[in-house]
Parts: sequence; C-alpha cells; structure tokens
Amino acid sequence: DVQLVESGGALLQSGGSLRLSCAASGFPFSGYFMSWVRQAPGKGLEWVANINTDGSATYYVDSIKGRFTISRDNSKNSVFLQMNSLRAEDTAVYYCARVSGVRPADGNWRVWLDPWGQGTLVTVSS
Amino acid sequence: DIQMTQSPSSLSASVGDRVTITCRASQSINNYLTWYQQKPGKAPKVLIYAASSLQSGVPSRFSGSGSGTDFTLTISNLQPEDFATYYCQQTYTNPLYSFGPGTKLEIK
Repeated sequence: DVQLVESGGALLQSGGSLRLSCAASGFPFSGYFMSWVRQAPGKGLEWVANINTDGSATYYVDSIKGRFTISRDNSKNSVFLQMNSLRAEDTAVYYCARVSGVRPADGNWRVWLDPWGQGTLVTVSS
Repeated sequence: DIQMTQSPSSLSASVGDRVTITCRASQSINNYLTWYQQKPGKAPKVLIYAASSLQSGVPSRFSGSGSGTDFTLTISNLQPEDFATYYCQQTYTNPLYSFGPGTKLEIK
C-alpha cells in the first residue's frame, strides 16, 4: 500500500526549532515531488512547501520563507521540514503529501496531492 | 499570487439532495483545479482533478466543472458519508499552490 507517515510534532515555545519527518512506502519515492501542507486548529488548508525529485529545487509559501526548509533523503524514502524561529501562528497539523499527476494532450501536467499522511501536530506557545 | 474563494462557506442539506459548491480564482487558471474532501480529524482526500476528472475510486455522484476562473463541485444524491468540508486548490502555478477557504457541508 502507498503510505506516508509523519513524525516529529511537539509542543514548544516561540522562537524554537523543530524538524518534521515523513516516511514514504509503497511507491518509487525518488520519482515524485513531495509537499507539506498545514492546517491551523479549526482553519483551512495552507500549502507550505514543495521539493522536486532529487531535492535540487524547493518552493515555499511566502509566510514561511527564510524560516522553514524542506529537504529529502531518497535513500531513506523520507522528506523533512526543518522549522526555525517558530511563531504561535505556526501552530497547526502538518501533513506531507505526494504530488501526483497526469500529462494530457496539451503536454502540461495536471497535479494533485495524493496520498496524504495522517498529520503531526505542532504547537507553539507564546 | 492567485487567490481562491469558495461559496458558500457553509451549507445545510439533506440526504438525497443535490448540492453545488463554487470556487473562484482571482485570475484564469485554465483547468488547473483540484477538489478535496476532508472529514474531521482526517487528512484530505482528492475527489476531482483537472477541474472535471473524477479520481479513481470516487463515487460518480461527485462531479466537477468549470474553466478559467469559475468552477463548481456538484454532489448528487447526497449520502450520509458526504457531510464533510470541501476545498478547492489551484495548481496553475505548479509547484506553488493555494487552497480555497473551504465549504462545510452539514446535515439539515
């Protein structure tokens, strides 16, 4: 089965750092872009970061640029999110997800996030 | 940045009803639009990709339409398991994305 399992969530104080991990199984991990998406308590989904297949290119939402870093280790089928200078507003469930897609006749990929992990909770106290 | 909006933010419906949720992009995104369903305490699940393509395993009562800036998700013959929150997501700016704020579908 295709599976993603996040770990590393914790309760910590504002200004602290944390590293989240996501272990993938059941698919050729090195062939897929990977994403992190977060959801604050009672709020909607916010895409956070993407990483390409070999880790040479990363992409971030503006609100976390310079503080968070996405990385991957294809030898361990894992993707990571290093979070520094954490703020209360970073409190959320963090999900990792695989970027899946199809390439129709126009040659441009149509992508979606599937599957998702179960999420890991990060709580930042001020 | 492309902003996504959804309407309504919540709605109440009964089993057997047909409901429509609307998603609008702040600029044209062609058909780079995905719909997700999320139940409380669970990760989102993809329903529709490329605006109108049904994800494998998703019941045919779910359908999507639209192109450009305006999109709809329609659920026909609502079932008890369909009461959830629905999100749209633009992937036009792949590999940067944005989600709509969500629509909560509740039982009347």
